[in-house]
Amino acid sequence: QVQLVDSGGGLVEPGGSLRLSCAASGFTFSDHSMSWIRQAPGKGLEWISLISSSGSHTYYADSVKGRFTISRDNAKGSLSLRMNNLRVEDTAVYYCARGWAANWGQGTLVTVSS
Amino acid sequence: DIQMTQSPSSLSASVGDRVTITCRASQGIRNDLGWYQQKPGKAPKCLIYAASSLQSGVPSRFSGSGSGTEFTLTISSLQPEDFATYYCLQFNSYPWTFGHGTKVEIK
Repeated sequence: QVQLVDSGGGLVEPGGSLRLSCAASGFTFSDHSMSWIRQAPGKGLEWISLISSSGSHTYYADSVKGRFTISRDNAKGSLSLRMNNLRVEDTAVYYCARGWAANWGQGTLVTVSS
Repeated sequence: DIQMTQSPSSLSASVGDRVTITCRASQGIRNDLGWYQQKPGKAPKCLIYAASSLQSGVPSRFSGSGSGTEFTLTISSLQPEDFATYYCLQFNSYPWTFGHGTKVEIK
């Protein structure tokens, strides 16, 4: 069955960097676009980025554009999110999701605080 | 950006009740909409995709309808495990946008 495992979260100071990963299995990874979606504590869901199945096209929410970079390795079945210049307001649980969010990872918590 | 207006923001209902949640898009999105259920401390789960298609494994008491700008999620007979928060998501154009959520509570 489809499985997505998120990892890489943690505590980081404002201005710092972090790299999140998502390991995919149970489906042909290279056939599907992939997204990152986040949820701040006690808040709703926010889509932040998508990468096409081949990796040739990427899209970002304005809130992260220029600071976050999405990438994928189709040979390894993995998705990444490089997050630079982190802000307090980036504190959230980050989820990877397949396609139109048909399947979700379990999430990884990123806390930005001094 | 496309705004998704979801209503109500919360509702109280009893087991066995019929429940309806609505999302309105600020512009037409064809049927590029999904519905998601989230329980506390858990990742969201897709219930409906393409506005009206039931995701595999989801009980048939859940149904979706609509196209263009008006969409509805219906739970025909609310079960104890359905008490959760529900979100709509439009994936017609970037940035994808979610509704603000509907919390379904026990009356």
